[in-house]
Amino acid sequence: ETGVTQSPTHLIKTRGQQVTLRCSSQSGHNTVSWYQQALGQGPQFIFQYYREEENGRGNFPPRFSGLQFPNYSSELNVNALELDDSALYLCASSGLQGARTEAFFGQGTRLTVV
Amino acid sequence: DQQVKQNSPSLSVQEGRISILNCDYTNSMFDYFLWYKKYPAEGPTFLISISSIKDKNEDGRFTVFLNKSAKHLSLHIVPSQPGDSAVYFCAASADFGNEKLTFGTGTRLTIIP
Repeated sequence: ETGVTQSPTHLIKTRGQQVTLRCSSQSGHNTVSWYQQALGQGPQFIFQYYREEENGRGNFPPRFSGLQFPNYSSELNVNALELDDSALYLCASSGLQGARTEAFFGQGTRLTVV
Repeated sequence: DQQVKQNSPSLSVQEGRISILNCDYTNSMFDYFLWYKKYPAEGPTFLISISSIKDKNEDGRFTVFLNKSAKHLSLHIVPSQPGDSAVYFCAASADFGNEKLTFGTGTRLTIIP
């Protein structure tokens, strides 16, 4: 059983640029959620994808967008990067919709915007 | 508005003793609660969960207690071991089938040998 993997692990971008982060969900999981964890804070929900459709969104601007692919892997795209976007970005996958299951997290991508 | 609060940023406990981590929430719609543990440079790892229809759930050394009237939950670790040193996050969910998690800010637990 493969776990949740994210790439890249670290990334440095310049303000105003665009970034794409990638996530492979755990085998058998069809739901992927993205979280942003700023320094000293808990993870904050960005959005969730279920069977390639967005299924809930947190309080993040439209320049944060995502995709889920038929194999349930996912991308997080952030346009017009701002310094405050510097954070750890976590991907989590979970199993059956309609069942209360825990989310399994990847190791995260550390994004630094300079 | 912080809907899930962990008011103790850090906690130190002697090895072998009980560690008690606390969490308060304000949203009465939350009906599923989870604890995650996080080591540096790793993603959060699920520890234990509890549904609002229960007041206690136990898994080995870990027990979670839920007091719905007080909107309070706690994680008990006994006996505490050095490998338990990590940051612990409390999380809550209100959307059955959506599983958007609202996290607290975390408590750094240090087990003293």
